[in-house]
Amino acid sequence: EPEVTQTPSHQVTQMGQEVILRCVPISNHLYFYWYRQILGQKVEFLVSFYNNEISEKSEIFDDQFSVERPDGSNFTLKIRSTKLEDSAMYFCASRDWTEFSGNTIYFGEGSWLTVV
Amino acid sequence: GEDVEQSLFLSVREGDSSVINCTYTDSSSTYLYWYKQEPGAGLQLLTYIFSNMDMKQDQRLTVLLNKKDKHLSLRIADTQTGDSAIYFCAESMGGADGLTFGKGTHLIIQP
Repeated sequence: EPEVTQTPSHQVTQMGQEVILRCVPISNHLYFYWYRQILGQKVEFLVSFYNNEISEKSEIFDDQFSVERPDGSNFTLKIRSTKLEDSAMYFCASRDWTEFSGNTIYFGEGSWLTVV
Repeated sequence: GEDVEQSLFLSVREGDSSVINCTYTDSSSTYLYWYKQEPGAGLQLLTYIFSNMDMKQDQRLTVLLNKKDKHLSLRIADTQTGDSAIYFCAESMGGADGLTFGKGTHLIIQP
């Protein structure tokens, strides 16, 4: 079964440092997403990306966050200057959009970010 | 804004059926999903249902949708220890719209 892959699986970074989380979505998917899950809390939407631009973003996705699809296969989330409260599991997801797929959304295994 | 509510815990005996309930507020929700998260793992898509359907069955899983009451349920028949996980209900309007998740229901299996 095709899958969304994410790297790294776990990263520890110092407060104020820049972090880039990487994702390889499923190859024929058209929509890409980042979500985060703070430990013990619900999964929260950050941003959606379609046709090489941001489609929608939440209030969480402020100026310290950015996304990019640099080479047609990777989809990255950059956090410019990390804060302690950015510690969370970050999930990448991709969505197919065809008549036959039924609009299914697949998630990666997550990247666990710890800011110290 | 959009909101999805679930009870936090459900305890069932092995072999019994589990029914996990969810309510949502957004009447324009087009797709409703159930995801499973095992400890330390990612989100596994279990099943989804279109808003114009009332029921969907997939092996041990049955999804029921009451659109009038904005109520979604997931029934797991013959619950096994491997079903122990957090189950998330989520809704979306489709297209580029992101998912809105509930807080998740911890399914606890008693021997």
